[in-house]
Amino acid sequence: RKEVEQDPGPFNVPEGATVAFNCTYSNSASQSFFWYRQDCRKEPKLLMSVYSSGNEDGRFTAQLNRASQYISLLIRDSKLSDSATYLCVVPFSGGYNKLIFGAGTRLAVHP
Amino acid sequence: NAGVTQTPKFQVLKTGQSMTLQCAQDMNHEYMSWYRQDPGMGLRLIHYSVGAGITDQGEVPNGYNVSRSTTEDFPLRLLSAAPSQTSVYFCASSSAGDRTGELFFGEGSRLTVL
Repeated sequence: RKEVEQDPGPFNVPEGATVAFNCTYSNSASQSFFWYRQDCRKEPKLLMSVYSSGNEDGRFTAQLNRASQYISLLIRDSKLSDSATYLCVVPFSGGYNKLIFGAGTRLAVHP
Repeated sequence: NAGVTQTPKFQVLKTGQSMTLQCAQDMNHEYMSWYRQDPGMGLRLIHYSVGAGITDQGEVPNGYNVSRSTTEDFPLRLLSAAPSQTSVYFCASSSAGDRTGELFFGEGSRLTVL
């Protein structure tokens, strides 16, 4: 099993839709999780950090299910500008700096 | 606000050639790392450093060397380029004690090995 697995998509949704991505991880000892956003041909940038059961930031909600070892990212009221690849990220055991990146889920929001 | 600066942005090499990808950060971050990104595989950690004089291997270190003589610089050397090293390379840095998981990435270096 890969350390971090994501559905590659693409998810094609209309503006205003709600969309959710799941990510599964293999290391049950992981304590923190992150979602990064990567625009086409650009560098990844941190979107959200998730430490306990979840985190909410405006239209974005990240939830953690430790028992099933997955995290999800929910985007409400999708905007055209949300079109990007969303990377699920888990630290290597023992640190917050060494990060394992999932392959990413591509989101395309259309008018 | 320079952040993390990578050079060159694009490079074409022939098999067997060597080269160095440069990375510099001006945020006084202790932690620096190199990732490569290939289609469908996400970012994979090549080498990392937790401070000047300290480096360690990541997931895919073979064929690459690094050094960390200063806090600011973390060059990545390809010893003898192979077509399998065609990829986009990202350098990243962060504060060692930062628990937010925020890595600051450079804009990437696109390398093609013929």
